[in-house]
Amino acid sequence: AQSVTQLDSHVSVSEGTPVLLRCNYSSSYSPSLFWYVQHPNKGLQLLLKYTSAATLVKGINGFEAEFKKSETSFHLTKPSAHMSDAAEYFCVVSDLSSNTGKLIFGQGTTLQVKP
Amino acid sequence: NAGVTQTPKFQVLKTGQSMTLQCAQDMNHNSMYWYRQDPGMGLRLIYYSASEGTTDKGEVPNGYNVSRLNKREFSLRLESAAPSQTSVYFCASTRTSGTYEQYFGPGTRLTVT
Repeated sequence: AQSVTQLDSHVSVSEGTPVLLRCNYSSSYSPSLFWYVQHPNKGLQLLLKYTSAATLVKGINGFEAEFKKSETSFHLTKPSAHMSDAAEYFCVVSDLSSNTGKLIFGQGTTLQVKP
Repeated sequence: NAGVTQTPKFQVLKTGQSMTLQCAQDMNHNSMYWYRQDPGMGLRLIYYSASEGTTDKGEVPNGYNVSRLNKREFSLRLESAAPSQTSVYFCASTRTSGTYEQYFGPGTRLTVT
């Protein structure tokens, strides 16, 4: 069975400081992993995805994530937070146990950016 | 290219009323999905359609029905709304089942009183 755990429900950083949002996954398969962002009252937008190519994945708006198989982690980072980064972030794994394209979502991490 | 569109954006229903949430995508995607989002629970899959002509239950299907009208459109129906169905509903689509990312609509905020 596949699952994903976001280790922090809430992260607070100051503008201009680094961001780290932590995600661990469990998968019997070589996983496909995603990070999505949701701004208040908006839909979900894809930040980046890992699909067994390079382990360091670069996404939009300066975000990147590193796939570490030995640690079963896929943490999201950004060198310098912007006020506009304040949002909900979801770590997601593709359910490869069935050929349906279903996604399994983490509980979400709320990122607060202080001026 | 509008991506995934949903109507309505907001809806208030009384308990027992019915309604249909509409979803359409213009990306020629094969697979479409309906999720609900509740505080602290992430997104949970209600129903999905892996391809035109097929639909399957997800994690929380009770109280809902779906119709894959054609390749573009996938509707979600609440036959007799209950307060427990107060939620934000998202439709999503993907190229085909597998490792591809899903694209999400803007959501429908539903309140059942």
